[in-house]
Amino acid sequence: GAGVSQSPRYKVAKRGQDVALRCDPISGHVSLFWYQQALGQGPEFLTYFQNEAQLDKSGLPSDRFFAERPEGSVSTLKIQRTQQEDSAVYLCASSLTRTATGELFFGEGSRLTVL
Amino acid sequence: DAKTTQPPSMDCAEGRAANLPCNHSTISGNEYVYWYRQIHSQGPQYIIHGLKNNETNEMASLIITEDRKSSTLILPHATLRDTAVYYCIVRVAYGGANNLFFGTGTRLTVIP
Repeated sequence: GAGVSQSPRYKVAKRGQDVALRCDPISGHVSLFWYQQALGQGPEFLTYFQNEAQLDKSGLPSDRFFAERPEGSVSTLKIQRTQQEDSAVYLCASSLTRTATGELFFGEGSRLTVL
Repeated sequence: DAKTTQPPSMDCAEGRAANLPCNHSTISGNEYVYWYRQIHSQGPQYIIHGLKNNETNEMASLIITEDRKSSTLILPHATLRDTAVYYCIVRVAYGGANNLFFGTGTRLTVIP
């Protein structure tokens, strides 16, 4: 498809496990964003890439969260030693423009449940 | 970026116009108003944005007051598929934060 693709759609992890969430943005999109959405809340910003450069990681909640986009296309969000409070939907978005001013296209998200 | 205030929920009869209000009294002159919506179990979807003039596209109309302190998103003929959470977001066009601040939005329920 031509949209943003995320995998896995659902992930159940035991507390303490590491997880990796993948995002395939729309081809040619320069900007890539990760958001975290807790149940009943709006999405909250985690980090932003412009091509392969991670320009903003101010929203990452702890050093257990790590994101990369090594070739400026696919991105991976990694969470180490997962905790129950990490349970949320993780949304990826991409944009043709270099900032959040243009339209953001979101994937359907990866729902993480930490037991 | 300026913060916004939206009612937590609204109902609308199917086929009628849905008018979703948003207050942004601290908006600056270089800040745009954006609207996104999120249908259950999906990612947010862009609807429309504007600076000071009213805007219309195939999805909705955006009416911004002359003092720009509030705006209204209008869905002219609401359908059941328009049931979603609607987010009003204010941000600068260039520079500023690299993210969008979503808040908690308005949950619109379209009733048959």
